[in-house]
Amino acid sequence: KNQVEQSPQSLIILEGKNCTLQCNYTVSPFSNLRWYKQDTGRGPVSLTIMTFSENTKSNGRYTATLDADTKQSSLHITASQLSDSASYICVVSARWEGKSTFGDGTTLTVKP
Amino acid sequence: GAVVSQHPSRVICKSGTSVKIECRSLDFQATTMFWYRQFPKQSLMLMATSNEGSKATYEQGVEKDKFLINHASLTLSTLTVTSAHPEDSSFYICSATYRDSEQYFGPGTRLTVT
Repeated sequence: KNQVEQSPQSLIILEGKNCTLQCNYTVSPFSNLRWYKQDTGRGPVSLTIMTFSENTKSNGRYTATLDADTKQSSLHITASQLSDSASYICVVSARWEGKSTFGDGTTLTVKP
Repeated sequence: GAVVSQHPSRVICKSGTSVKIECRSLDFQATTMFWYRQFPKQSLMLMATSNEGSKATYEQGVEKDKFLINHASLTLSTLTVTSAHPEDSSFYICSATYRDSEQYFGPGTRLTVT
């Protein structure tokens, strides 16, 4: 069964600090892994999308890494801002399948 | 990036009535659209997958006669919640893809059934 596990479930950090969110998956055969940011009451917004051959991808202060051998991904947020407070969702798609497997998300709270 | 819209953004209806939610891909043709439901502080739960011109595929436990999905064109899918009850109150989100490309989400529709 395809699964995506995210950790930690929630995280509180001070503004300006860095943090790293984790995503482990068992989806196979792997097609791509995406990180989304979801603000409360809004739809998810894409941060990065990574395929098998990509190890790292950046989007501003967000940097995602992918280790396809260990089936792990991380999302690193640099110099956090109050607006980074949101739920971060890891989504993994399997090749030849029409739907994706969602993680439960990590709720990040950035405090001043 | 591609834009997906939903209408309405918020709706309040009385128990027993039906509500229709629209999902549109504004600048691309969506071969597949997905409908999700999200309860407070929970993850998105896939309800159904719809391909243009064909019947939707519902996830286990989702009543297809209660949640009617129509994907009449490559840019529009609708979800109709029939005979809504308070337990149907939730945040409904659609997403759209073109072939195997990235999944683009709509802003969501907050449904409250009184």
